[in-house]
Amino acid sequence: EVQLVQSGAEVKKPGESPKISCKGSGYSFTNYWIAWVRQMPGKGLEWMGIIYLGDSRTIYSPSFQGQVTISADKSISTAYLQWSSLKASDTAMYYCARTYCTGTSCYTKGLDYWGQGTLVTVSS
Amino acid sequence: EIVLTQSPGTLSLSPGERATLSCRASQSVSSTYLAWYQQKPGQAPRLLIYGASSRATGIPDRFSGSGSGTDFTLTISRLEPEDFAVYYCQQYGNSLFTFGPGTKVDFK
Repeated sequence: EVQLVQSGAEVKKPGESPKISCKGSGYSFTNYWIAWVRQMPGKGLEWMGIIYLGDSRTIYSPSFQGQVTISADKSISTAYLQWSSLKASDTAMYYCARTYCTGTSCYTKGLDYWGQGTLVTVSS
Repeated sequence: EIVLTQSPGTLSLSPGERATLSCRASQSVSSTYLAWYQQKPGQAPRLLIYGASSRATGIPDRFSGSGSGTDFTLTISRLEPEDFAVYYCQQYGNSLFTFGPGTKVDFK
């Protein structure tokens, strides 16, 4: 069974640097990239970036470049999302999701499995 | 960056009715990279359609997708009570993914 399991909710203060995780299981990570998606309270979905666990190649949305760091540890099939300095406006639900990519066929099958989400609350 | 616009913002319908949701792109999108998702309150999004018209695994055939270029449509042929949710379109192009703002399908 394919699963993406995310780390638990975080309550942080402005300026802190949390790192949340997304662990995949039940599939071969070599054929998939992991995307991170933000959903602010009551709002829509925003793509933040994407990473290939095999070699940590990463593509960022211009809106999030420099604001977050996406990384991975392929030995434990886990992707990470980290902030250098949280702001109150970073309060949101963060989802990871996988997308198929191999050879010349990339991103053609959508984001087919999603994690359960990690709620990050930033409050002083 | 390709911007996706969805209409209407809210669609008020009754069970059994047909729902037609629109997704328009600011420039041409390859159908290969157009997907639709459903999200219910408190849940992660769920992939419905990829490649503009292919249903994802386990998605009932009352859901269908169509379109090309800049205009895409998600149709729910007969609404079931569990279909009342928010629907997002999403595209990939120029190394970027973007989502539309969503259409909420609620009870009339």
